[in-house]
Amino acid sequence: AQTVTQSQPEMSVQEAETVTLSCTYDTSENNYYLFWYKQPPSRQMILVIRQEAYKQQNATENRFSVNFQKAAKSFSLKISDSQLGDTAMYFCAFILNAGGTSYGKLTFGQGTILTVHP
Amino acid sequence: DVKVTQSSRYLVKRTGEKVFLECVQDMDHENMFWYRQDPGLGLRLIYFSYDVKMKEKGDIPEGYSVSREKKERFSLILESASTNQTSMYLCASSFELGKDRDMNTEAFFGQGTRLTVV
Repeated sequence: AQTVTQSQPEMSVQEAETVTLSCTYDTSENNYYLFWYKQPPSRQMILVIRQEAYKQQNATENRFSVNFQKAAKSFSLKISDSQLGDTAMYFCAFILNAGGTSYGKLTFGQGTILTVHP
Repeated sequence: DVKVTQSSRYLVKRTGEKVFLECVQDMDHENMFWYRQDPGLGLRLIYFSYDVKMKEKGDIPEGYSVSREKKERFSLILESASTNQTSMYLCASSFELGKDRDMNTEAFFGQGTRLTVV
């Protein structure tokens, strides 16, 4: 079974600064995907960034980037130039890519509440 | 835009009532999921469905059942609501893994139903 751990229940950052959210996972499989999802106060879960395990290059999406360390099973999210709209709960998540048997089931971490202060 | 719609944002029910939570998606996704979100626990998978009339138990299925009579609709049923089922319930949908590989790994979420059982 796969597990995902987020050890930071809460984080805060000043507007325009950079913050890094941590995530570790455990799996014996080699083929999987990792995600960061954002859940703002509106409760609408939104995909922030996706990383394919077979790709060595770290994914980036505008101000969001990841540090994917496959051997260490670590997947952190860096938010640069933080904005007030980044205030949300952030979830790290994992999908096993096992062809027809994983069905896209997501395993989530506990979540990190990020507050961006003006 | 993909839309996943949950029938209620807030629901209050009495202990012992039969409760139906409805979810509809408009993207012809094969997979549909019901998650439960609790503070400090992240999202946990209750049930999922990978095709019409097909269902599989997730990590915490006890006290719940599901129904998927049509591809676009996935219902979560609490046969006899109890206070420990007070929670946020999130529905999600996604394409079958393997179709067009990476781009179809994203799950789309509804806005959640906050259920209180009194």
